[in-house]
Amino acid sequence: KNQVEQSPQSLIILEGKNCTLQCNYTVSPFSNLRWYKQDTGRGPVSLTIMTFSENTKSNGRYTATLDADTKQSSLHITASQLSDSASYICVVPGGTNFGNEKLTFGTGTRLTIIP
Amino acid sequence: DARVTQTPRHKVTEMGQEVTMRCQPILGHNTVFWYRQTMMQGLELLAYFRNRAPLDDSGMPKDRFSAEMPDATLATLKIQPSEPRDSAVYFCASGFGGPGLNTEAFFGQGTRLTVV
Repeated sequence: KNQVEQSPQSLIILEGKNCTLQCNYTVSPFSNLRWYKQDTGRGPVSLTIMTFSENTKSNGRYTATLDADTKQSSLHITASQLSDSASYICVVPGGTNFGNEKLTFGTGTRLTIIP
Repeated sequence: DARVTQTPRHKVTEMGQEVTMRCQPILGHNTVFWYRQTMMQGLELLAYFRNRAPLDDSGMPKDRFSAEMPDATLATLKIQPSEPRDSAVYFCASGFGGPGLNTEAFFGQGTRLTVV
C-alpha cells in the first residue's frame, strides 16, 4: 500500500529560528515528490516539485531534499517568519495509470511560529 | 491572477438533503480534481477528470456521490442524500497534465460542508 508518513506531527518554534520537517514514503513507482503549504482555511499551495534526479531544490527560504534510495525527503525552513505558520504536506504521486495524478498525501506537519 | 474558484465557501445542510458544490478551474487547464479533507483522514482524492472525461472516481462513494464536468469551465460534485459523515472540506484543484507530465495541482479555497 502506498504511504506517506510525516514527522513531527506538530512543531512550535520561535520566529527567526530554522526547522526541518521530515517525510518518508513507500509509494511505488516513484516519479516525483511535492511539498505543499496549507494555511488555515485555505487550499494547499505548491512549494516545490522534486523529480527522481534532484537531490536539493530551493524556493526562497524553503529548501527541500530528496533521497530516492532511502525514500526520504525533508523540508528545511530558514529564518522562520510568522507567516510560515501553516500545515506542510508531503505528496507523492503513485500508481501506473494515467501518468501520475493519483496523489498520496501525508497527514502533514502543523508548524507554529511564535514571536 | 488565475485561480480555481469554488462555490459555496460554506454550506450547512440537514441530513438527507442534496448538496451541490461547484468549481471553476483555471482557464487552459485540462485536468480537474476533487479532494476531501478531514482531520482524521487528511486529503483524499475523490475523482478526477482529463479533458472533461472522468479518469478515476474510485475514491468516491458511488451510491451517493456524483461528479461531472458539464463544460470546460465548470465541475460539479453532488451528494444525494447527504449524511453527517460527509462533513468535511471539499477541494477542487486543476492542472495541466498528461502521460509523462508532472501535473501540478492548483487548489481552490474549498467548500466547508457541515451536515447536521
